[in-house]
Amino acid sequence: EIVLTQSPATLSLSPGERATLSCRASQSLRSHLAWYQQKPGQAPRLLIYDASNRATGIPARFSGSGSGTDFTLTITSLEPEDFAVYYCQQRSSWPLTFGGGTRVEIK
Amino acid sequence: QVQLVESGGGVVQPGRSLRLSCAASGFSFSSYAMHWVRQAPGKGLEWVAAISYDGSNEFYVDSVKGRFTISRDNSKNTLYLQMNSLRAEDTAVYYCAKEITNHYFDRWGQGTLVTVSS
Repeated sequence: EIVLTQSPATLSLSPGERATLSCRASQSLRSHLAWYQQKPGQAPRLLIYDASNRATGIPARFSGSGSGTDFTLTITSLEPEDFAVYYCQQRSSWPLTFGGGTRVEIK
Repeated sequence: QVQLVESGGGVVQPGRSLRLSCAASGFSFSSYAMHWVRQAPGKGLEWVAAISYDGSNEFYVDSVKGRFTISRDNSKNTLYLQMNSLRAEDTAVYYCAKEITNHYFDRWGQGTLVTVSS
């Protein structure tokens, strides 16, 4: 099973600041990684797939990068609605796995 | 628009069974693989099971193999999860999710809560 480790666990930032979230895999994923956003009481929402492709309707302030074992989700300028929990997910091999999440909170 | 509506959750005793359903609409259900993903209270996401578009292939996380069965009825646009021998650690919100492509999930239901407790 591929283990995904997200860091930091919590990121405390102010609106307008840049957020950089990390996801590290226990083995190479090539580019087979996605990012999701989840707000309290809601289902997750797909942001990025195949490491760097924005899903339909996702604002350009969200971007993904990386390959192999190290991946990054960047939010260039945090909007109030961006404060949430973010998960990475790999599809490189079964079972599909998620990282433990990074909470982006208002400082 | 795409809608996924789960049902069938509830409180069940350890060792008992439960069947979840997910009614799909707004897309060509029979063309897409479907998944179940769960989230224990206050915890992260855990993928549970997947089924190919035509039902010919199934995949499971090890912790549910032999206890859970994913299935689908394309004539009814409905996904199922039969859960047997339930354990306390199966307590979670269960989401059904549609694949966008290659095992990423672009649409999710609102979830149904399963509580396993005596």
